[in-house]
Amino acid sequence: DADVTQTPRNRITKTGKRIMLECSQTKGHDRMYWYRQDPGLGLRLIYYSFDVKDINKGEISDGYSVSRQAQAKFSLSLESAIPNQTALYFCATSSGRWETQYFGPGTRLLVL
Amino acid sequence: DQQVKQNSPSLSVQEGRISILNCDYTNSMFDYFLWYKKYPAEGPTFLISISSIKDKNEDGRFTVFLNKSAKHLSLHIVPSQPGDSAVYFCAASAGEYGNKLVFGAGTILRVKS
Repeated sequence: DADVTQTPRNRITKTGKRIMLECSQTKGHDRMYWYRQDPGLGLRLIYYSFDVKDINKGEISDGYSVSRQAQAKFSLSLESAIPNQTALYFCATSSGRWETQYFGPGTRLLVL
Repeated sequence: DQQVKQNSPSLSVQEGRISILNCDYTNSMFDYFLWYKKYPAEGPTFLISISSIKDKNEDGRFTVFLNKSAKHLSLHIVPSQPGDSAVYFCAASAGEYGNKLVFGAGTILRVKS
């Protein structure tokens, strides 16, 4: 079984809709992250959480919100989706500053 | 302004030869650098890292070189294998920001057999 899972894997939605992307991990890591990948831009950090009570904005948090429901769960919400939020979204986890980040398989989101 | 730049969108190499992927950065506060590999329909996976106190780190066929004065790092793959064909991302972090990673745009490596 995968250590970091993301649901759904693919999602098509319409402009203005609220959607939630979910991430679960079985690695026991405290730190969790949400990134988006766009062609030619690499991965950019949206939000990160170093423990259940700690939520921080990343480089591109506008239009997004997150919830850390438990150590193992970190969800990303788009309150009112817009077409330029069409991207590949990745969740990641790590156990500390010098530790590698482990990524989920990604969610491909299309906003029409 | 991109703090981490991978100026080559793609690279094609013959099997058995050396692959050299390059990365430049602008933020002098970066003190930890990583390379990730990504296959289609999968998330990135960690490949190799180097801290700013070193100038070289080696792991099997993969070696990362860091030139702090030039703010440049490179990943060498020797010998290259068809299974190495993937997108390679360079990433960096600064100590004061924990392990928030800043990624480059990626380089597509194709190893021809």
